[in-house]
Amino acid sequence: GAVVSQHPSRVICKSGTSVKIECRSLDFQATTMFWYRQFPKQSLMLMATSNEGSKATYEQGVEKDKFLINHASLTLSTLTVTSAHPEDSSFYICSARDQGGLRTDTQYFGPGTRLTVL
Amino acid sequence: LAKTTQPISMDSYEGQEVNITCSHNNIATNDYITWYQQFPSQGPRFIIQGYKTKVTNEVASLFIPADRKSSTLSLPRVSLSDTAVYYCLVGDGTGGFKTIFGAGTRLFVKA
Repeated sequence: GAVVSQHPSRVICKSGTSVKIECRSLDFQATTMFWYRQFPKQSLMLMATSNEGSKATYEQGVEKDKFLINHASLTLSTLTVTSAHPEDSSFYICSARDQGGLRTDTQYFGPGTRLTVL
Repeated sequence: LAKTTQPISMDSYEGQEVNITCSHNNIATNDYITWYQQFPSQGPRFIIQGYKTKVTNEVASLFIPADRKSSTLSLPRVSLSDTAVYYCLVGDGTGGFKTIFGAGTRLFVKA
């Protein structure tokens, strides 16, 4: 099946620093990728839709200047958490839609990145 | 706003069949129904997808009535390793959707 990877799997940083998370579709091309955030014991919350070659679309309440998304190729999207603070500590998950796959409307998810801001 | 409603939690015992029902009253004509499984600190994993009637694969079955306003994920003979959160999602078959996750169903399988 389609595989999505994320790097790093976990990161610890100091408050005020920026952190970049990479999301790659390993065996398929993805025009659209999605970024989610998940707090403990809660469901996934969609943060933004990443479109290859164009600007990301952010959900209401998500600061686009704080969560920078770049989707420069059909297999790579990056999320940069700028000037991170402890409240940004969370589990970040990306997904990609396999447009060439047999299943319609299926997203494949990465393993997630655990961000801890001290 | 989530388009789906599921029970918050369910308990079962090893070897039993588990059925999790999801309500999606406002499902659109183009929407497919997809179920995912998520373990703690992992990304969701695709389980099964369907549009109508019944779909079966090596891990689960998906039952969808004619009106498509609900669907039921059936897990045969669950084991302890099936303890996880299960999410039901509906989406536009044209691919122009954005996925909004509901609360999911926490399944706890006991020995």
